Amino acid sequence: GAVVSQHPSWVICKSGTSVKIECRSLDFQATTMFWYRQFPKQSLMLMATSNEGSKATYEQGVEKDKFLINHASLTLSTLTVTSAHPEDSSFYICSARDPGLAGGPLDEQYFGPGTRLTVT
Amino acid sequence: QKEVEQDPGPLSVPEGAIVSLNCTYSNSAFQYFMWYRQYSRKGPELLMYTYSSGNKEDGRFTAQVDKSSKYISLFIRDSQPSDSATYLCAMSAGAAGNKLTFGGGTRVLVKP
Repeated sequence: GAVVSQHPSWVICKSGTSVKIECRSLDFQATTMFWYRQFPKQSLMLMATSNEGSKATYEQGVEKDKFLINHASLTLSTLTVTSAHPEDSSFYICSARDPGLAGGPLDEQYFGPGTRLTVT
Repeated sequence: QKEVEQDPGPLSVPEGAIVSLNCTYSNSAFQYFMWYRQYSRKGPELLMYTYSSGNKEDGRFTAQVDKSSKYISLFIRDSQPSDSATYLCAMSAGAAGNKLTFGGGTRVLVKP
């Protein structure tokens, strides 16, 4: 099956610094990737939809200047949390859609293993 | 009110029992309904994927969708300790590859 990786798997940073999280589709090219945030014992909340070669579409309430998304290639999307604060501490999960399967019964999102961010 | 409601649990059952999970939703535009399993500190994995109303069975898993009631269910037969996880329902107006709206998740514990 399709594999999506994330790096790093966990990161601790100091308040005010920026952190970059990478999401890679390993065995398919993903024109669309999604970024989610999950707080403890809560569900996944979609932050933004990332399309290769164009600007990301952010969900309501998500600060686009704080959460910078770059989908520069068909296999890589990055999320940069700028000027991180303790309230940004969360589990960040990406997913990727295989465009070759779009519209068919296997059209689904393949999720990465997540990145745990702790801001001290 | 959230678009998708799901009882957070935890739901504790003995090994071999049937696990019954459900979600309700308010957005009538949802056409695709998914169930994901998420182990602690891991990404979700797709278990079942159903389009519109009806039932779907895959091994020990059965998914049901009742669009008239805006209610979906997942049943796990012959539950195993390895089924202990958080189960998330998700819905989309498009396919599962499109924007998803998740329920809050139900934590399930299957005791040996």
